[in-house]
Amino acid sequence: DAGVTQSPTHLIKTRGQHVTLRCSPISGHKSVSWYQQVLGQGPQFIFQYYEKEERGRGNFPDRFSARQFPNYSSELNVNALLLGDSALYLCASSLEDTRAKNIQYFGAGTRLSVL
Amino acid sequence: DAKTTQPTSMDCAEGRAANLPCNHSTISGNEYVYWYRQIHSQGPQYIIHGLKNNETNEMASLIITEDRKSSTLILPHATLRDTAVYYCIVRASKRSNDYKLSFGAGTTVTVRA
Repeated sequence: DAGVTQSPTHLIKTRGQHVTLRCSPISGHKSVSWYQQVLGQGPQFIFQYYEKEERGRGNFPDRFSARQFPNYSSELNVNALLLGDSALYLCASSLEDTRAKNIQYFGAGTRLSVL
Repeated sequence: DAKTTQPTSMDCAEGRAANLPCNHSTISGNEYVYWYRQIHSQGPQYIIHGLKNNETNEMASLIITEDRKSSTLILPHATLRDTAVYYCIVRASKRSNDYKLSFGAGTTVTVRA
């Protein structure tokens, strides 16, 4: 069974550019979440989507946006890239969005380097 | 979400049990304890979770104290491949639509041959 897949695996951008990261959830999962992990720290929550609707947003600037498509895949967009946006971006999927026992499964992430 | 406290690092010998402690003294009645681990440069991997009863699966056992203020993750026979950062997370606030995972710094576990 395919797990959560993310693309691309690595990406290099320059300051001020825009980037789009993609995520395909596990088949049957309807919820997708995005996390940012800066080197040496734990992942930080960015967004949660369920059934194409935003259900949660972390403490990130408006330069970060996301959407979920009818097939439950998702995109994370970051505009006007800053050096500090360099990080591992993780996508996680789960069956539902509200139940505490719901398990999130993570992809391998996209490593973004901003020069 | 309740805050968790874990040791920064710990070593264990290959083949021995690894016991990873976690304090979550402010946990509320509807909050679960989750454990994830992250092997270098990979995405976090789900290990186990529990509410108040002890849990066991093919990867590990989770022991939650009766007052639920602390828990221990047990890797019964640690291997070199268990070297990773282990995160203890208390999940789900009282708001039903808030289920994000709040990762702390975790415990860096090094299994030595």
